[in-house]
Amino acid sequence: EIVLTQSPATLSLSPGERATLSCGATQSIRSNYLAWYQQKPGLAPRLLIFEASHRATGIPDRFSGSGSGTDFTLTISRLEPEDFAVYYCQQYGTSLRTFGQGTKVEIK
Amino acid sequence: QVQLVQSGAEVKEPGASVKVSCKTSGYTFSMNGVSWVRQAPGQGLEWMGWINPYNGNTNYAQKVQGRVSLTTDTSTTTAYMELRSLRSDDTAVYYCTRDGPYGGYVAYWGQGTLVTVSS
Repeated sequence: EIVLTQSPATLSLSPGERATLSCGATQSIRSNYLAWYQQKPGLAPRLLIFEASHRATGIPDRFSGSGSGTDFTLTISRLEPEDFAVYYCQQYGTSLRTFGQGTKVEIK
Repeated sequence: QVQLVQSGAEVKEPGASVKVSCKTSGYTFSMNGVSWVRQAPGQGLEWMGWINPYNGNTNYAQKVQGRVSLTTDTSTTTAYMELRSLRSDDTAVYYCTRDGPYGGYVAYWGQGTLVTVSS
């Protein structure tokens, strides 16, 4: 199975700053089938990005995804107070889908 | 609108089985895959498996293979997840999810079902 490693584990930033989250895969992800999700405490995750760079419906354009092969990035251009949460990447390029372990974006 | 409504919380003893249901609505049930994802307390997301409601084909994560069964009832547009031989580390919130229109990412989530395994 493909193992996804997210870094850093925790990102401490202030509102208005830029956040850069990484997701690395142990093998190339077919067709860049990589998604990003946001999760807040007590809630189900929410889809942000699919196919590495396509924003889901209703997601603000301050969220962007990039990358290909084994290295992917989620960028939040200017953090809003509601963006402090945990972010997960997921690959769906193989029949056995996997998640990364998550990156927590916390207020500095 | 698309909705996935799961059954309520469960408390089970070690060694028992649990079956969680997921009633779907707002779309054509057979057209999109259903995955199950779990989250242990304070931990990350873990993909457990996937089922194609159209033909019943399934894929299971290696960690739960042999203990989990995913099924669907197309007449009631309901998906089910059964986990057997429960252990304490199966304590988690279990989510049913629906694939997106363009691939196997999760476009929709159920509200989650807490399964507690304790003696």
